[in-house]
Amino acid sequence: DAGVTQSPTHLIKTRGQQVTLRCSPKSGHDTVSWYQQALGQGPQFIFQYYEEEERQRGNFPDRFSGHQFPNYSSELNVNALLLGDSALYLCASSNIGENQPQHFGDGTRLSIL
Amino acid sequence: DQQVKQNSPSLSVQEGRISILNCDYTNSMFDYFLWYKKYPAEGPTFLISISSIKDKNEDGRFTVFLNKSAKHLSLHIVPSQPGDSAVYFCAASAGQGGSEKLVFGKGMKLTVNP
Repeated sequence: DAGVTQSPTHLIKTRGQQVTLRCSPKSGHDTVSWYQQALGQGPQFIFQYYEEEERQRGNFPDRFSGHQFPNYSSELNVNALLLGDSALYLCASSNIGENQPQHFGDGTRLSIL
Repeated sequence: DQQVKQNSPSLSVQEGRISILNCDYTNSMFDYFLWYKKYPAEGPTFLISISSIKDKNEDGRFTVFLNKSAKHLSLHIVPSQPGDSAVYFCAASAGQGGSEKLVFGKGMKLTVNP
């Protein structure tokens, strides 16, 4: 039973570039949430996708956008990268309506030079 | 405004002893609380949760206590083992659903010494 998988593991970009991160949810899950974890901080909620639509959004600018595909996988896109976007980006999956915890992937480490 | 606070950045205990990790929250709408454990280079792993309708939940060596009036929860690990050494995050959500957005504390590093 595959858990949450994220790609790539590491990524290095320069300021102003754009990046796409990918996530495949745990088998049987229909909801994908994205979190940003800066160094020394806890994960911060970016947004959540369900039925291919953004269901909830945290306090992140429009430069952060996402997509969910019919197979429930998801992408996180960040435009016009800033140095402050350097962080670990975590994907979590779950099922809507079930009182079960979210399962996390190992994350993508994004470094902005 | 930090809605979930873990005020101690680190804790060191001896193997076999009890580890107590504390967490405070400010948002009265939170009704579902979770603890995650994180090893370096891995994602957070779910440990245990508690709904606001309960004040205690046990799973093996792990027990979570919830004090709603004090807006405080704690995780007890008994007995502590070296493999428990990790960063522990407290998280909360509103809406009694596991899929609702999670608000995390900053984490606390637990070191269990053999």
